[in-house]
Amino acid sequence: DGGITQSPKYLFRKEGQNVTLSCEQNLNHDAMYWYRQDPGQGLRLIYYSQIVNDFQKGDIAEGYSVSREKKESFPLTVTSAQKNPTAFYLCASRSGGGLNYEQYFGPGTRLTVT
Amino acid sequence: QKEVEQNSGPLSVPEGAIASLNCTYSDRVSQSFFWYRQYSGKSPELIMSIYSNGDKEDGRFTAQLNKASQYVSLLIRDSQPSDSATYLCAGLIWGAGSYQLTFGKGTKLSVIP
Repeated sequence: DGGITQSPKYLFRKEGQNVTLSCEQNLNHDAMYWYRQDPGQGLRLIYYSQIVNDFQKGDIAEGYSVSREKKESFPLTVTSAQKNPTAFYLCASRSGGGLNYEQYFGPGTRLTVT
Repeated sequence: QKEVEQNSGPLSVPEGAIASLNCTYSDRVSQSFFWYRQYSGKSPELIMSIYSNGDKEDGRFTAQLNKASQYVSLLIRDSQPSDSATYLCAGLIWGAGSYQLTFGKGTKLSVIP
């Protein structure tokens, strides 16, 4: 069964703690992405990776870090430096970086930091 | 101007009617477009992609791209209550050696039984 999995579905953390969100895909896609969604803000790009061992900052990378050690996996760490970490986090993947490639999303992780 | 703009709605249509969702885009956006449907509390689901000028039909859905007017639309025929969701329009922008999707903020559609 091919797709993108994210875990956990819900995550609760205390302020000041780092937390890592998991994203795995078995679609053999080269490109992977992390977005954040807040009410009324739409989807904002945090980080993306076109190939293993390479990644680029998106529009709102401050306070986040990623790694891409395997093609299938693109974990996101929300650090204590992120001012407003409570949000819905979405991982996505595409088979290529060109124009005619469709992008698919995982089910998301809802992070609450108190 | 935002790269991709949508009317946030809500757009209310009666069951069985045609729902028309619209999106405009800036010069920065390349001309491949995608429509996603997002139910409340869920992740976006790709429902249509369109890469060339004109219409593309898939079941009850028709995507329209007008490059001259920089305008993309999604028509939903015979709207059903299960179509009630937020619809996100997305286009591609070039940056750091590849294209990435840029999203509108979404239009909330309510189909009234």
